[in-house]
Amino acid sequence: AQKITQTQPGMFVQEKEAVTLDCTYDTSDPSYGLFWYKQPSSGEMIFLIYQGSYDQQNATEGRYSLNFQKARKSANLVISASQLGDSAMYFCAMRAYNAGNMLTFGGGTRLMVKP
Amino acid sequence: GAGVSQSPRYKVAKRGQDVALRCDPISGHVSLFWYQQALGQGPEFLTYFQNEAQLDKSGLPSDRFFAERPEGSVSTLKIQRTQQEDSAVYLCASSSDLSGGFTDTQYFGPGTRLTVL
Repeated sequence: AQKITQTQPGMFVQEKEAVTLDCTYDTSDPSYGLFWYKQPSSGEMIFLIYQGSYDQQNATEGRYSLNFQKARKSANLVISASQLGDSAMYFCAMRAYNAGNMLTFGGGTRLMVKP
Repeated sequence: GAGVSQSPRYKVAKRGQDVALRCDPISGHVSLFWYQQALGQGPEFLTYFQNEAQLDKSGLPSDRFFAERPEGSVSTLKIQRTQQEDSAVYLCASSSDLSGGFTDTQYFGPGTRLTVL
């Protein structure tokens, strides 16, 4: 079975500063993908970034980067230069090759950006 | 192009009523997923379609839940005899399956918030 753990229920960050959202995962499958989604108060899940288990380099997408430490089974999301619009829930999710096609989500982290 | 759309956005039902939730995936997307998100929690998988075939329904919580995708495009999630514990946001997602397997990104719709009184 797959499991995603997000240990930070809520976080504050000052506008324009960087912030790291933690995610650890557990799977016995060597082939898997890790995803981060943003869910603003409107409710829609917005895809941010993807990291594959065989990728050699950390993924980056604009202000988002994924700090992938495979041995530690962690996939932390780093947001640089936070903006007020970054205030939202953030979910880490996994999809394992031999576990069907569904995503397994963590419990989420609520990020609040202070002006 | 258009993203995943869902309707209605909000649904209030009296306990015991049947409800139907609709999902329009991104055009051409082969795979379609339904998730249930309880308040303050992450989404949980309900069921998965590849074209019109329902390949996995292991997450459906009871036989009151039924999903279909008869023509491999639009999908409907039906809940019969709704109960208060069915109150949640129901999210639909689709993926293209172009890269195959675990690398495909799922794109989500805005969800339907169901409240059962």
